[in-house]
Amino acid sequence: KAGVTQTPRYLIKTRGQQVTLSCSPISGHRSVSWYQQTPGQGLQFLFEYFSETQRNKGNFPGRFSGRQFSNSRSEMNVSTLELGDSALYLCASSWTSGGADTQYFGPGTRLLVL
Amino acid sequence: QQPVQSPQAVILREGEDAVINCSSSKALYSVHWYRQKHGEAPVFLMILLKGGEQKGHEKISASFNEKKQQSSLYLTASQLSYSGTYFCGGSGGSNYKLTFGKGTLLTVNP
Repeated sequence: KAGVTQTPRYLIKTRGQQVTLSCSPISGHRSVSWYQQTPGQGLQFLFEYFSETQRNKGNFPGRFSGRQFSNSRSEMNVSTLELGDSALYLCASSWTSGGADTQYFGPGTRLLVL
Repeated sequence: QQPVQSPQAVILREGEDAVINCSSSKALYSVHWYRQKHGEAPVFLMILLKGGEQKGHEKISASFNEKKQQSSLYLTASQLSYSGTYFCGGSGGSNYKLTFGKGTLLTVNP
């Protein structure tokens, strides 16, 4: 069974631009969670989608948004990029809610904002 | 609020044991443990869903004290392959988000 895939793997943007990241979960998984990882801060929860509905949201500004499609694929969008948005963005999929189930992480998208 | 992990870093020699602790200020429904090697994605180790539950897998085991909202990960007879950053995640309910601690960097030297 294929694992979680994320595209693109690397991205360089400049301040003020916007970016869209994509995540394809493991087949059959309905939950997709997004995390931001930066040195020293660990994994910061962004949001979780389950069956196309946002189930949980972390403490990030409204510039960070996401959505999930009927095939469970998810996208994350960051508008008006700031230097501090440079990070590794990880998505994870699970059968049910991420809080109660094993999460399988993708390889991540490394975003650099210049 | 993030769970708090301790220690932040630990260095071992092969064959030594280590304990990584995770505590939460909020009531926990589940505790998750993951290991991340440099440049790779986090990999699932185990979930503990009940208070007082203890799970084990070969030489890595964990406990969850529901009353104290604490979990500990035990690594015995460490191997070089155990090196990496260990994250604990806590969730307040089955449909709640999973919030991770900042991680514990474990280095196992020959």
